[in-house]
Amino acid sequence: DQQVKQNSPSLSVQEGRISILNCDYTNSMFDYFLWYKKYPAEGPTFLISISSIKDKNEDGRFTVFLNKSAKHLSLHIVPSQPGDSAVYFCAATDTGTASKLTFGTGTRLQVTL
Amino acid sequence: NAGVMQNPRHLVRRRGQEARLRCSPMKGHSHVYWYRQLPEEGLKFMVYLQKENIIDESGMPKERFSAEFPKEGPSILRIQQVVRGDSAAYFCASSLMANNEQFFGPGTRLTVL
Repeated sequence: DQQVKQNSPSLSVQEGRISILNCDYTNSMFDYFLWYKKYPAEGPTFLISISSIKDKNEDGRFTVFLNKSAKHLSLHIVPSQPGDSAVYFCAATDTGTASKLTFGTGTRLQVTL
Repeated sequence: NAGVMQNPRHLVRRRGQEARLRCSPMKGHSHVYWYRQLPEEGLKFMVYLQKENIIDESGMPKERFSAEFPKEGPSILRIQQVVRGDSAAYFCASSLMANNEQFFGPGTRLTVL
């Protein structure tokens, strides 16, 4: 039962353009969402998060949008840089009952020159 | 300010042997989480511990797996009588408080021959 889904296994974007990574969830109890970036042979690195009381959170080049009614969130990276090439994981948690994170399967972003 | 440390980074075991994976959380963090990543999959929650207590072990296989976080020393994930299906990357994360951002270690890559 995949409660957090990232339906695009890979994405290729030109340097300087916008990268949009999508994530859908099914558990309506999730109220806190996070994006992690992962390079090969390293652990995930926290990027940005958003609480369900907000619909947008911005941090530099990274913006996360949350659409609760659609159970959908997206990560926008503008402008994309070659160093952004990595696997991006969406994660969610129900802060009322648990601390564990439920992860999606990841989207591999390739930023080309 | 050291991050989450895991050792060993790579571990090779033969079927039937025991594997011990260690995790030292970030300084000041008393919440530790273990996740497992199988090839081409996302991270799956295994167990959440605070000092000397298991808070949530809903993701732990019922047999052969155990975890502890003693008052002194690192958290240990122990896998007895390993099988080939245990081959995976095991990540530890820590947080300052429950429901805070989790910071991940570099992982231990377990290979069972």
